[in-house]
Amino acid sequence: DNVLTQSPATLSLSPGDRATLSCRASRSVLRQFAWYQQKPGQSPRLLIYDSIARATGVPARFAGSGSGTDFTLTISSLEPEDFAVYFCQQRGSWPPTFGQGTKVEI
Amino acid sequence: EEQVVESGGGLVQPGQSLRLSCTASGFSFGDYAINWVRRAPGKGLEWVGFIRSEIYGGTVEYAASVKGRVTISRDDSRGIAYLQMNSLKTEDTAVYSCTRALKDSDYYMDVWGKGTPVSVSS
Repeated sequence: DNVLTQSPATLSLSPGDRATLSCRASRSVLRQFAWYQQKPGQSPRLLIYDSIARATGVPARFAGSGSGTDFTLTISSLEPEDFAVYFCQQRGSWPPTFGQGTKVEI
Repeated sequence: EEQVVESGGGLVQPGQSLRLSCTASGFSFGDYAINWVRRAPGKGLEWVGFIRSEIYGGTVEYAASVKGRVTISRDDSRGIAYLQMNSLKTEDTAVYSCTRALKDSDYYMDVWGKGTPVSVSS
């Protein structure tokens, strides 16, 4: 299976900071890549798909980039509600797989 | 509100069967593919399987770890998807969630349930 490795495991930042989260795939998935946000006690929320496309209702401060094996989720200016766990997913190679997550904390 | 709610989890012994249900509301269920994913204790998310909408043939795909032991089906008239699990193993212990696939997509998941726990133990 295509292993997704997220870094860092934890990101300690403050509101207003820029957050940069990374995910590396063990083999190329082209741009078939997604990011999700999960808050405690809530179900995951799709943020980004096809590497760069924002899902419906996702604020413009969330931006995805990357192709092949290296992907980045950038949150341009952290809002208080953005402190959560973010995990990545690929569908470019079968089976679809998920990363272990990056916790963005204050 | 668009949502999916899982039910049917519980404690079973190895070798037994269990059927999980995924009940949808707030959207036209038949237009969407449904995935099942699971998270075992202390582990990451694992994709379990998928059923396409009837528009795309209603075909199914399964992870290698469960293939031959699980069957995913759907009843569009009732807005329910099912995950039938047979010959359960201790390593199947996990919280199972169903997810709606993004429209005209397959494995991107835009609506998630909270999950139903399955514990396989003697």
